[in-house]
Amino acid sequence: DAKTTQPTSMDCAEGRAANLPCNHSTISGNEYVYWYRQIHSQGPQYIIHGLKNNETNEMASLIITEDRKSSTLILPHATLRDTAVYYCIVRGTGNQFYFGTGTSLTVIP
Amino acid sequence: NAGVTQTPKFRILKIGQSMTLQCTQDMNHNYMYWYRQDPGMGLKLIYYSVGAGITDKGEVPNGYNVSRSTTEDFPLRLELAAPSQTSVYFCASSYPGTAFKYYEQYFGPGTRLTVT
Repeated sequence: DAKTTQPTSMDCAEGRAANLPCNHSTISGNEYVYWYRQIHSQGPQYIIHGLKNNETNEMASLIITEDRKSSTLILPHATLRDTAVYYCIVRGTGNQFYFGTGTSLTVIP
Repeated sequence: NAGVTQTPKFRILKIGQSMTLQCTQDMNHNYMYWYRQDPGMGLKLIYYSVGAGITDKGEVPNGYNVSRSTTEDFPLRLELAAPSQTSVYFCASSYPGTAFKYYEQYFGPGTRLTVT
């Protein structure tokens, strides 16, 4: 099963870009990378996903390396409301997602 | 749309009791999921369903049962509650995916269950 590795925690100054890395060295050629976040103890919220090309939406940008073994989620101008746990996910067997323990991002005023 | 709704929000069970966690979605999603989240941990998949009448086990199915009689509802049943089932339970739904691509999952607010 494809699994991911993320740093346990990160800090970011408010207004600066937050760059959250993820390693997924066992990802297969056609598997997508997904990012979700969980604020406090709410249900996770979808952020973005990608396959090979870099992706951008209103929430974030996703940069995937050419060999697809790692990716970086970028929050361009972090706000206090972006404090959350961020999960990098690739598909498991069947229809399963493995969330892992994620990265706890703290945005500092 | 209400999205994904879960009831109850909180529940305390005694060891050996049974209960059903309710989950309903109004987005006409075929796929539905049940996850549990222990303190400080990520989500673990309990069961999932790709459509009415079809369910399958996830990573941690022991101690739970599910059914899917309609597209909208996906209840999770705990038959003999144990302290190890103390957790936060999240239900989610999504459109069908393909072999490699999955559409975003929409999550409910969660049910906080304590078994003592």
